Order: sequence, then C-alpha cells, then structure tokens
Amino acid sequence: AQSVAQPEDQVNVAEGNPLTVKCTYSVSGNPYLFWYVQYPNRGLQFLLKYITGDNLVKGSYGFEAEFNKSQTSFHLKKPSALVSDSALYFCAVRDPGGGYNKLIFGAGTRLAVHP
Amino acid sequence: DSGVTQTPKHLITATGQRVTLRCSPRSGDLSVYWYQQSLDQGLQFLIQYYNGEERAKGNILERFSAQQFPDLHSELNLSSLELGDSALYFCASSVSDSSGNTIYFGEGSWLTVV
Repeated sequence: AQSVAQPEDQVNVAEGNPLTVKCTYSVSGNPYLFWYVQYPNRGLQFLLKYITGDNLVKGSYGFEAEFNKSQTSFHLKKPSALVSDSALYFCAVRDPGGGYNKLIFGAGTRLAVHP
Repeated sequence: DSGVTQTPKHLITATGQRVTLRCSPRSGDLSVYWYQQSLDQGLQFLIQYYNGEERAKGNILERFSAQQFPDLHSELNLSSLELGDSALYFCASSVSDSSGNTIYFGEGSWLTVV
C-alpha cells in the first residue's frame, strides 16, 4: 500500500535562513509526488510535483523539492525563508500502478518562520 | 484562487440532520475529488468522479454519498450527522484522472455538527 510520512510535526526557522520540510514515501512502483501548502483558514494550494525527469523540481513561491529514489524521499526546500511562508505543508503521493488514482497525504508539517 | 468553487463556506447543523455540499470544478476539468480534513484523521480521500461516473472510493461512510452532474458540478451529501463528522470538506478537480495531473483544491466547506 502506498503511504507518505512527514516525520516532523513542526519546523522552526529564522527568516532568511534556508528551510527543509521532510517527506518520505512508500509505493509499489514509481511514485508521483506532490507538495501542497495550507494557509490558515484557506484551502490547499499546489506548490510543485515530481512525475519524471530531473530530480530537482522547482515550484511556486521559490520552493523546490528533490526526489531521491534510493532514500525514497521528496524533501521540500527554500534557500531563504520568509515570515509569510509560515503555514501547514503537506506531501502527497500517487501510485500510478496502484490500481486507482487517489492522492495520499502525509500528516502535514507546520512551518513557523520567525522574524 | 484555484478555480474550484465550494459552497457553503461554513455550515452549522444539528446531529441527525442532513446537509449537501456543492462543488464547481475548474473550467475544463472532468475529474472531481472529495476529501475530509479533521484533526484526528488528517486529510482523507472520500470519493472521486470522472465525467459523471464514480471512479474510486476511499474512506467514505455509508451515510455519505456523492454525485457528479452532467454539467460536471458535484455534490456531497452527508446524512444522519454525528458530532464526529465535524470537519473541513474539500472538493478538488483535475483535467482527467491521469496520475500525473495536478489536483487543484477549493477552499473547503467547514461543517460543524452540534
């Protein structure tokens, strides 16, 4: 069965410092991986996805993520954090060989960027 | 703005009642998904429709049902409501049901059962 793990409930980082939000996955085949962000009282906003190709994926708002097949990871990164990046971040996976098409989400990681 | 529209944004109702949540997908999207977000269960996939037909079912209770209409809008019906059904219900859509498609989410319908 496919699954996603976000090992950190919360990540704290100072404004201007680099940030990393971790994600690991488990699927039977080659994964399709996604990152979404949820601001308070808002819906989920798509940030980026990995389908195939270059392991480093660039997305919205300066975020990027690196797909690592050997470590089954897809960590979200940003070189310089902003206070406005503070939000709840979700990693998600789809297993194209898994029989049907649902998107499985991790539990979420709360990012707090301090001035 | 994702282009996915959900109504109502907030809803308070009593136990035992029935409510209907409505969703209009992004223009051109044929696939609609429903998710439930709660503190204890996180984001749970409920059901997916593609061009009017049910395509996949997740952790959807028998008291819940959904449909997608010919104009592609979708409704999620929740009946015999219990306190534990209080949650944020998301609708999402994608162009097709191909795994590589991005799924875009609406802002959700907050349901409070009292």
